Amino acid sequence: EVQLLESGGGLVQPGGSLRLSCATSGFTFSNNGMSWVRQAPGKGLEWVSGISGTGDSTFYADSVTGRFTISRDNSKNTLHLQMNSLRAEDTAVYYCAKDFDRVGVVPTALGPNYGMDVWGQGTTVTVSS
Amino acid sequence: DIQMTQSPSSVSASIGDRVTITCRASQDIAGWLAWYQQKPGKAPKLLIHGISRLQSGVPSRFSGSGSGTDFTLTISSLQPEDFATYFCQQASTLPRTFGPGTKVEIK
Repeated sequence: EVQLLESGGGLVQPGGSLRLSCATSGFTFSNNGMSWVRQAPGKGLEWVSGISGTGDSTFYADSVTGRFTISRDNSKNTLHLQMNSLRAEDTAVYYCAKDFDRVGVVPTALGPNYGMDVWGQGTTVTVSS
Repeated sequence: DIQMTQSPSSVSASIGDRVTITCRASQDIAGWLAWYQQKPGKAPKLLIHGISRLQSGVPSRFSGSGSGTDFTLTISSLQPEDFATYFCQQASTLPRTFGPGTKVEIK
């Protein structure tokens, strides 16, 4: 069974930092792209960042570019999101999600895919003084 | 970035009703369209990918259709467990983007 388990959320002051982690199991992690998606209270879903299977390709939403860094440790089957210079508008539940990649896709690239087929339970980040 | 819109933003329906939700992309996304269901306090669940392909375990009362920029999610006969919020998402280009959601409520 594929499982994703996020951790690292919490309360942080504006301008502070947090590092989210997502421990995975049940699939060949290094072959799969991964994403972070967030949901502010009472709002919709916002894709935050994605990373290819090898980690060679990354991409960010404009709202977090230059402040957030996605990374992965394929030896530990773990995904990370380093969040710096946090703002009140970053307050949200953060989900990690497994990309539903096309069969045979090169794991170095981030290309079109079929969406996100497995999601973690989410971790809550609150940015407030 | 590709903008995704959905209509309606909410719909009130009864058990057994047919419900249709539409999603529009600001540019052609070919077949790279997914639909998700989210219940309060839970993570989203992938229902449909590639416009019309049901994810494993999803009931056949759910169906998807469309092409290019215009897409539809249909629930043929609404069941109690279907009351939730539904999101479309384009998976064609980066950044991935979601529609604002459609809340299906009990009439």
